[in-house]
Amino acid sequence: QVQLQESGPGLVKPSQTLSLTCTVSGGSMSSDTYYWSWIRQPAGKGLEWIGRFHTSGSANYNPSLKSRVTISLDTSKNQFSLRLSSVTAADTAVYYCATARTILGVDLGLAVWGKGATVTVSS
Amino acid sequence: QSVLTQPPSVSGAPGQTVTIPCIGSSSNIGAGYDVHWYQQFPGTAPKLLIYRNTNRPSGVPERFSTSRSGTSASLAITGLQAEDEADFYCQSYDSSLVGSVFGGGTKLTVL
Repeated sequence: QVQLQESGPGLVKPSQTLSLTCTVSGGSMSSDTYYWSWIRQPAGKGLEWIGRFHTSGSANYNPSLKSRVTISLDTSKNQFSLRLSSVTAADTAVYYCATARTILGVDLGLAVWGKGATVTVSS
Repeated sequence: QSVLTQPPSVSGAPGQTVTIPCIGSSSNIGAGYDVHWYQQFPGTAPKLLIYRNTNRPSGVPERFSTSRSGTSASLAITGLQAEDEADFYCQSYDSSLVGSVFGGGTKLTVL
């Protein structure tokens, strides 16, 4: 089974762009069809879905973040990335990458998660 | 406010049964979209508990079961054990938002 690991700066200044990478190990991103997803969780709060990128090339984003979010895949490196622009303190959270296998377009649930990366937005 | 509504907390004594509701609307659960459930222990990533409404991944005890009706779904945990104490989240697709949504989460306390 694939494993995921988030990486990126733990501290980002307000108004700058948050960039995180999720490295996939134990399998190829191209070997099957998946939703490659990002979810975040502010301290003491619930999960917030950020967005996902399907192997087919389609992407969906949380409408509340859509104007600031980009998720991209680099299958040659077995990685996918999150970019969130114009960050504020409200973007401080643990960011998780996760993946859901799909069969004929049907989402089988986020079965694999990374351990999470803590990102703080502060000057 | 999440599109999927869950009670902030539920509790039960060991051996009892608790139910966690996930109340949606006509654009998500009511539209027939699948519901997934996750369990999260403090300081760890969520774990997929139930996928596509009723399916348990390998290793998930049969004590965890689900149901859905109309615009709602629910997770039932029978024979409560101390190790079940965690946060639980439902997730579904929402056609109005054109994306996935999580419930606000429910903290289960085993008394």
